[in-house]
Amino acid sequence: RKEVEQDPGPFNVPEGATVAFNCTYSNSASQSFFWYRQDCRKEPKLLMSVYSSGNEDGRFTAQLNRASQYISLLIRDSKLSDSATYLCVVLDSGTYKYIFGTGTRLKVLA
Amino acid sequence: DAGVIQSPRHEVTEMGQEVTLRCKPISGHDYLFWYRQTMMRGLELLIYFNNNVPIDDSGMPEDRFSAKMPNASFSTLKIQPSEPRDSAVYFCASSFGQGLNQPQHFGDGTRLSIL
Repeated sequence: RKEVEQDPGPFNVPEGATVAFNCTYSNSASQSFFWYRQDCRKEPKLLMSVYSSGNEDGRFTAQLNRASQYISLLIRDSKLSDSATYLCVVLDSGTYKYIFGTGTRLKVLA
Repeated sequence: DAGVIQSPRHEVTEMGQEVTLRCKPISGHDYLFWYRQTMMRGLELLIYFNNNVPIDDSGMPEDRFSAKMPNASFSTLKIQPSEPRDSAVYFCASSFGQGLNQPQHFGDGTRLSIL
């Protein structure tokens, strides 16, 4: 089993739609979780950290379910500019390595 | 504030040549990571440092690759001799290792093409 698993997609959604991505992780001792966004031929950029109680940043909502070891990202009212690959990242607190999922591709269609 | 700075942005060279990639982490960050990304293999961790000391280099593909961090504000990744299969985007990232939820910050990357 991979340490961090994501559905690779692609997810093709119309503008204005709500889309959700899930990510599962294998190390139950993990403490820090993140969502990154990567545009084609660009570097990964931090979208948001994921807190235990869940957190929201504008149209983006992140949730953490420790019991089931999964993280989710919800994007509401999707825009064309949201088209990108979304990477789930888990920090291994033992080794201090950031474990990246393979990413989920999102394409928002006009 | 300056982010992670990598140079060069692009490098095209012939196989057999030595290639040196450079990285300046964010000031105050005590972890530095080198990654390689290709379409086939995705994002791969090559090596990472803590307080200038290499912690894990198990991702370095072979002896042709070496990395150094002589001080807290500079690191290099060297490939000698280079081969066409080394063509990829190489990212450097840094982070602050204290407390929870400290994210990594990436440089713009170096796009390396070995002919």
